[in-house]
Amino acid sequence: EVKLVESGGGLVQPGRSLKLSCAASGFNFNDYWMGWVRQAPGKGLEWIGEINKDSSTINYTPSLKDKFTISRDNAQNTLYLQMSKLGSEDTAIYYCAGGTGDWGQGVMVTVSS
Amino acid sequence: DVVMTQTPVSLSVSLGNQASISCRSSQSLLHSDGNTYLSWYLQKPGQSPQLLIYLASNRFSGVSNRFSGSGSGTDFTLKISRVEPEDLGVYYCFQHTHLPYTFGAGTKLELK
Repeated sequence: EVKLVESGGGLVQPGRSLKLSCAASGFNFNDYWMGWVRQAPGKGLEWIGEINKDSSTINYTPSLKDKFTISRDNAQNTLYLQMSKLGSEDTAIYYCAGGTGDWGQGVMVTVSS
Repeated sequence: DVVMTQTPVSLSVSLGNQASISCRSSQSLLHSDGNTYLSWYLQKPGQSPQLLIYLASNRFSGVSNRFSGSGSGTDFTLKISRVEPEDLGVYYCFQHTHLPYTFGAGTKLELK
């Protein structure tokens, strides 16, 4: 069974940084592109970006390219999202999505003083 | 960016009836590799989105055959036959042909 479990969310002050993790299991992590999607409260889905199997290609939505960094550790079957210079507009549920078609349950990030 | 326009915004249906959702893209979603990277997702209340359809018309593993996707180029449709209570939620189309990838704004399926 494919499982994607996000962690690292919580309350963070404006201007600070936060790193999310997504632990993958039940499939060969090394064989799949992985990505991140977010959803602000009561809003629709926003694609953040994706990373290929060996981290040689990483694509971002342009508005987040300078704030967010996607990486992965294939030895640990883990995907990461490093977020910096956070603002209230970054308050959202962050989902990890796999090339298998599966999504995690999401992790909430709240940016507030 | 490719704009994905979903209609209607909300849809009220009676159980057992058919529902149809349209998704139009501002550019053709036909990739140079010959594939059309258009997917459909359902987000049930309080849950993460779940993949229903990929490559415009292929049902994901375990998805009921009551769901069908069709279309090409810029016009796509998701049909749900014999709507059941577990089909209720918000449906999103998603294109991953052109960077940055983009979602439609969603269509809320409710009971009449």
